[in-house]
Amino acid sequence: NAGVMQNPRHLVRRRGQEARLRCSPMKGHSHVYWYRQLPEEGLKFMVYLQKENIIDESGMPKERFSAEFPKEGPSILRIQQVVRGDSAAYFCASRSRQNNEKLFFGSGTQLSVL
Amino acid sequence: DQQVKQNSPSLSVQEGRISILNCDYTNSMFDYFLWYKKYPAEGPTFLISISSIKDKNEDGRFTVFLNKSAKHLSLHIVPSQPGDSAVYFCAASLGNQFYFGTGTSLTVIP
Repeated sequence: NAGVMQNPRHLVRRRGQEARLRCSPMKGHSHVYWYRQLPEEGLKFMVYLQKENIIDESGMPKERFSAEFPKEGPSILRIQQVVRGDSAAYFCASRSRQNNEKLFFGSGTQLSVL
Repeated sequence: DQQVKQNSPSLSVQEGRISILNCDYTNSMFDYFLWYKKYPAEGPTFLISISSIKDKNEDGRFTVFLNKSAKHLSLHIVPSQPGDSAVYFCAASLGNQFYFGTGTSLTVIP
């Protein structure tokens, strides 16, 4: 029973490049959340998605950031034209439709922007 | 606006003693409260939770207490072990949304 899978674990990009972070939720989970953790800070909510729908993107920066969770395949968090301030750990979490009591997290993607 | 707050960034405890981690919240409508444990370079792992209709939940060495009138919850770890050294995040849920505190770094000294 695989947990939440995120890849890559580490991603290095130069300023201006695009970063694509992938998340495969736990089997049977159709709800995905993305969180960002900046150095010395807590987990900041970014976006909540269900299959083919963005439910809440109130935590997403208005520009350069987008997320999707297609019918088939993993959820993708895309950051265009990355800047140094985007360097952070990005965590994906999932839950089942029935159980909204807790989230299960992946190991995260550490994005470093040079 | 931070709806879930952990005011102690760090805590050090001797092995075998009790660790008490605290968390305050502002929204009385939260459904569940959760504690997550996080090691460096890993994702948070679920530790224990409590429904808003209860005031205590226990699982082995871990007990969570909820004081709704004070909007306060705490995690007790007893006895503390060196392997418990990690960052602990408090979280609260309301419907589909989860709110996390900034974390408390616990160090258990052998």
